[in-house]
Amino acid sequence: AQSVAQPEDQVNVAEGNPLTVKCTYSVSGNPYLFWYVQYPNRGLQFLLKYITGDNLVKGSYGFEAEFNKSQTSFHLKKPSALVSDSALYFCAVRPYGGSQGNLIFGKGTKLSVKP
Amino acid sequence: DTAVSQTPKYLVTQMGNDKSIKCEQNLGHDTMYWYKQDSKKFLKIMFSYNNKELIINETVPNRFSPKSPDKAHLNLHINSLELGDSAVYFCASSQARAGAYYNEQFFGPGTRLTVL
Repeated sequence: AQSVAQPEDQVNVAEGNPLTVKCTYSVSGNPYLFWYVQYPNRGLQFLLKYITGDNLVKGSYGFEAEFNKSQTSFHLKKPSALVSDSALYFCAVRPYGGSQGNLIFGKGTKLSVKP
Repeated sequence: DTAVSQTPKYLVTQMGNDKSIKCEQNLGHDTMYWYKQDSKKFLKIMFSYNNKELIINETVPNRFSPKSPDKAHLNLHINSLELGDSAVYFCASSQARAGAYYNEQFFGPGTRLTVL
């Protein structure tokens, strides 16, 4: 079965420190990979995506993610965390050959950045 | 200039009732979606739809039905509401035609449905 795993329910980081939110996937073929962020009582906002090419992709709000095909991972990173980054982060994958862009989401990781 | 909007934001109703949630996008996208987010924040696709094809997640009960009056709208109708239908429902849209499945989806603010 095709799936996305976010192994950490919560990540705690001090403001100014680097952060990593982990994501691994299990799908057939070469998937498209996405990160979304959800602030409390809001819809999801797109952060970044990997389609092809350079394994390091840069996105909104200073976030970046590194695609690692051999490890089937797509970890989200930021060099210096802000308190305002505290939110729920979702990794998503669109499997190759799937219908109409349907996404498979991970269960989400709550990021907490403390001052 | 809201991109994807949903109404209502909150919906509280009794078991057995029929209700609808409306969704509109002004992005000119060709594909719209409905997702369900449960109490543990897990997101699951319910439907995807463009003007030619409706893809239904096989786990969605047939009490749920999407209705699209035009390309910019995809409403969700729910019959005979059950307690387990309580969740947040998100509408989304993207430009997915012609194989552009790498385009990101834009999400609405969500509708919190509570069934009593």
